[in-house]
Amino acid sequence: DIHMTQSPSSLSASVGDRVIITCRASQSISYYLNWYQQKPGKAPNPLIYGASTLQSGVPSRFRGSGSGTDFTLTISSLQPDDFATYYCQQSFSTLRTFGQGTKVEIK
Amino acid sequence: EVQLVDSGGGLVNPGGSLRLSCAASGFTFSTSTLNWVRQAPGKGLEWVSSISGSGSDIYYADSVKGRFTISRDNAKNSLFLQMNSLRVEDTAVYYCAREWNDWSVKWLDSWGQGTLVTVSS
Repeated sequence: DIHMTQSPSSLSASVGDRVIITCRASQSISYYLNWYQQKPGKAPNPLIYGASTLQSGVPSRFRGSGSGTDFTLTISSLQPDDFATYYCQQSFSTLRTFGQGTKVEIK
Repeated sequence: EVQLVDSGGGLVNPGGSLRLSCAASGFTFSTSTLNWVRQAPGKGLEWVSSISGSGSDIYYADSVKGRFTISRDNAKNSLFLQMNSLRVEDTAVYYCAREWNDWSVKWLDSWGQGTLVTVSS
């Protein structure tokens, strides 16, 4: 199985801060990397697919980049609605796997 | 509008069985790959299983292989997860999710609301 590792596991940030979350795959997954946002008690929502394509309706302050084994999710200016947990997921292998999540909290 | 409604969760003893359902609407069900994803209390997301539109391609996570069976009824726009030999560590909210694709890129674009499975004596 392909193992996905996110860092950090959690972070504290203020509104307006630039936030960067990284995701590393245990083997090359080309650009088959997706990002999801989840708020407490809710199902996850897709943010980015194919490493860098924004899901329809997602604000442009979210940006995804990377290929191969290393990927990043950048929030250019953190907004109150962005405090949530973020997950990466690979779709290179038929056995899909998620990262362990990064919780973004208010400083 | 795509809608996925999960049901069937509940309390079950270790070693017991449970069948989850996901009712779908708002899209062409028979051509869509569907997945089950679970989340243990306070933990992250774990992919469980997927099934292609025709039902011919099925995959499982190692943690459930041999105990869980995914299936679908395209005439009734329904997805199922038969869970046998349940363990305490299977306790989680279970979500069904549709897999969408843009050329070769695939992602989970629509999710059910989840159904809670609790395995405890």
